[in-house]
Amino acid sequence: AQSVTQLDSHVSVSEGTPVLLRCNYSSSYSPSLFWYVQHPNKGLQLLLKYTSAATLVKGINGFEAEFKKSETSFHLTKPSAHMSDAAEYFCVVSERTGNTGKLIFGQGTTLQVKP
Amino acid sequence: DADVTQTPRNRITKTGKRIMLECSQTKGHDRMYWYRQDPGLGLRLIYYSFDVKDINKGEISDGYSVSRQAQAKFSLSLESAIPNQTALYFCATSDATGGGAYEQYFGPGTRLTVT
Repeated sequence: AQSVTQLDSHVSVSEGTPVLLRCNYSSSYSPSLFWYVQHPNKGLQLLLKYTSAATLVKGINGFEAEFKKSETSFHLTKPSAHMSDAAEYFCVVSERTGNTGKLIFGQGTTLQVKP
Repeated sequence: DADVTQTPRNRITKTGKRIMLECSQTKGHDRMYWYRQDPGLGLRLIYYSFDVKDINKGEISDGYSVSRQAQAKFSLSLESAIPNQTALYFCATSDATGGGAYEQYFGPGTRLTVT
């Protein structure tokens, strides 16, 4: 069975400094992996996705993530944080067995950006 | 106009009352999902539907029921609401293509409070 672990429940950075949100996954199959962002009082928006093509995936708003099979990780990074990046971020794996398309969510990481 | 809409956006109800949350989509997707979000737990799947005649339980379906009235409409009901069903509820859609990634598109959420 697939599972996702986000290693930090809360990350705080200063504006203009790099962002690193960590995610480890467990999957018996070649996974599809996603990062979603949720701004306060908003729905979830897809940041980026990995689907077994390039291991370095670029997303919206300057975010990117690298799929590392040997480390079973899919960490999210951004070179320079902006105040508007403050939100909750979810690492997600798609359950590919049986073609159900079900998503399994991590617990979420709250990103705080300080001026 | 939003691709995935949810009504109501906020609802306060009393224990024992029946309540229905509605979801509509204009993306033309066959697959629809209902999730609940609780702090620190990420999103958990309640029910999902692959088409009008195909409805499946998710990991936390007890106390909930659903109805897929049309390809574009998927409703979630709480037959007798209880306080621990207080949560943020999300509807999502996906199609079965996209290289098997099954990325999902989320509505804005319904905040439900059961007193």
